[in-house]
Amino acid sequence: NAGVMQNPRHLVRRRGQEARLRCSPMKGHSHVYWYRQLPEEGLKFMVYLQKENIIDESGMPKERFSAEFPKEGPSILRIQQVVRGDSAAYFCASSPDVMSSGNTIYFGEGSWLTVV
Amino acid sequence: AQKITQTQPGMFVQEKEAVTLDCTYDTSDPSYGLFWYKQPSSGEMIFLIYQGSYDQQNATEGRYSLNFQKARKSANLVISASQLGDSAMYFCAMREGYGGAQKLVFGQGTRLTINP
Repeated sequence: NAGVMQNPRHLVRRRGQEARLRCSPMKGHSHVYWYRQLPEEGLKFMVYLQKENIIDESGMPKERFSAEFPKEGPSILRIQQVVRGDSAAYFCASSPDVMSSGNTIYFGEGSWLTVV
Repeated sequence: AQKITQTQPGMFVQEKEAVTLDCTYDTSDPSYGLFWYKQPSSGEMIFLIYQGSYDQQNATEGRYSLNFQKARKSANLVISASQLGDSAMYFCAMREGYGGAQKLVFGQGTRLTINP
């Protein structure tokens, strides 16, 4: 039973290029979350998606960032025209489509973006 | 106002000693969940322990226990018999509400160093 799969694990982009980070949730999970971790900080929520829908994007920067979770395929976090300040670790997490308490969120291993 | 506060940026502990990592939280929601994660130098987020706001007993998982003091809004992590492999960043996080979205708010973290 594979966990949350993120790729690439490490990505280097020059300023102005685009970065695409992919996330495949755990089997049976239909909720996906993206978090960003700047150096020496805790994770910060960016966006919450279900299949084909953005449910909560209150943590997403207003420009250059977008996320999708299509009917088929992984969730994509896309950063256009990257700047040095976008250098961070981006974590994807998933949870099942059930109302429950407890720990039902599972994190991927993260994607480290470096902008040079 | 900070929702999650970890007041210890760094801690140094001798191997085999017990260690307590502090976490206080702020919420007006009666339903919430509290999480602790470990982030070693390799970067992945490792789930350690979970406490629900309605749980009657403090959570325990092996050498980890959560000292949950609801009235004081604190959720300290206790690691018994520390090991060199416990050296890592530790994050406290909170989810508000019951079930549904697993939108977590993280603290700034505590860097724990275990000395031989």
